[in-house]
Amino acid sequence: SQQGEEDPQALSIQEGENATMNCSYKTSINNLQWYRQNSGRGLVHLILIRSNEREKHSGRLRVTLDTSKKSSSLLITASRAADTASYFCATDAPNKLSFGAGTTVTVRA
Amino acid sequence: EAQVTQNPRYLITVTGKKLTVTCSQNMNHEYMSWYRQDPGLGLRQIYYSMNVEVTDKGDVPEGYKVSRKEKRNFPLILESPSPNQTSLYFCASSLLAPGNEQFFGPGTRLTVL
Repeated sequence: SQQGEEDPQALSIQEGENATMNCSYKTSINNLQWYRQNSGRGLVHLILIRSNEREKHSGRLRVTLDTSKKSSSLLITASRAADTASYFCATDAPNKLSFGAGTTVTVRA
Repeated sequence: EAQVTQNPRYLITVTGKKLTVTCSQNMNHEYMSWYRQDPGLGLRQIYYSMNVEVTDKGDVPEGYKVSRKEKRNFPLILESPSPNQTSLYFCASSLLAPGNEQFFGPGTRLTVL
């Protein structure tokens, strides 16, 4: 069963703008991860945030985690055409990782 | 180069013809898993393996088998494929528990006619 759900399903922005997507999950977690997938290719790990962390940065990426609301957000600042991809959150459950359905981001030139 | 490889990358087959999709990793990872990806459903886990000879069902195991005889290899077996198994399949591995960063293979696009 899917643990995480991303919102929105799709997002279209202009190059240079920021993109924000959200992930909600149902049960307690140890950590939450975000992945990127370019058009049918394998997923690439972006960032991992632990349950005792509230915010984490990696380059142009900023992730927040609110365990009381069971939600996380991924912010991509100053977007580029190369950021066009699908983004997935993944939450850990005993012995497995559960992915949401993803947010498809299109960055227009 | 650290990587997860899958073969074949593309496969068209017919209902009932047994097939195997291979997965191999060169990072000495203990945890390996198989996912299928379908439009609107995201990734769903089929099977996972915590270590050699230790495998368990994921969320959608029906119609699939796996084995883990060596640490580096984790083949996915479809004994009698059916059209509803047409999907994009990914193998992934991580050092220890699944909560670690997962390394994904390039995917296998399977069509069952």
